[in-house]
Amino acid sequence: DTGVSQDPRHKITKRGQNVTFRCDPISEHNRLYWYRQTLGQGPEFLTYFQNEAQLEKSRLLSDRFSAERPKGSFSTLEIQRTEQGDSAMYLCASSLAAEATNEKLFFGSGTQLSVL
Amino acid sequence: DAKTTQPTSMDCAEGRAANLPCNHSTISGNEYVYWYRQIHSQGPQYIIHGLKNNETNEMASLIITEDRKSSTLILPHATLRDTAVYYCIVRLLYALNFGKGTSLLVTP
Repeated sequence: DTGVSQDPRHKITKRGQNVTFRCDPISEHNRLYWYRQTLGQGPEFLTYFQNEAQLEKSRLLSDRFSAERPKGSFSTLEIQRTEQGDSAMYLCASSLAAEATNEKLFFGSGTQLSVL
Repeated sequence: DAKTTQPTSMDCAEGRAANLPCNHSTISGNEYVYWYRQIHSQGPQYIIHGLKNNETNEMASLIITEDRKSSTLILPHATLRDTAVYYCIVRLLYALNFGKGTSLLVTP
């Protein structure tokens, strides 16, 4: 068990550029979550997958945000046409979920995005 | 999910018990109480969760009142490495709704 891995740890980009983050969950975990955290706030839920199916995406912040998990293993989060307000920590978490209400999430260390 | 209320910050002396309160007066019957913590520059870490009964694991104890409107996380012997932001979350569906949590400072 190597934990949830996120890449890159830090990303600096210019406004208007596209960025993509990768998350590798714990092996055999079927659920994968994306969260965003801004300074001084708790993490904010964005979207989640069960295997390759994206079951909730209504809380993605805008249509510039999209996520995929094509083979039910790793996932990517893409932000198109980045804005300065997108600067935040993007966290990924995974779980082996039997019941939604009795589920432990394991988080990665996040990708810190800075939009200049 | 029910809303939670936590103190903004707390201090605790190293070696003493840290008792972190959480109010969740609007909790419904099938919502679990979860606790996570976040050490600076790391992702949140699961600590413990419970529904009605008190729970204990190697990290902490969770005491839930009989009416389930509040709970307390207990770190029995706090160490400097327990300095972190502690989040109390009441969860029914898929998303954990983190608030601002309690910033716990453990002092020597």
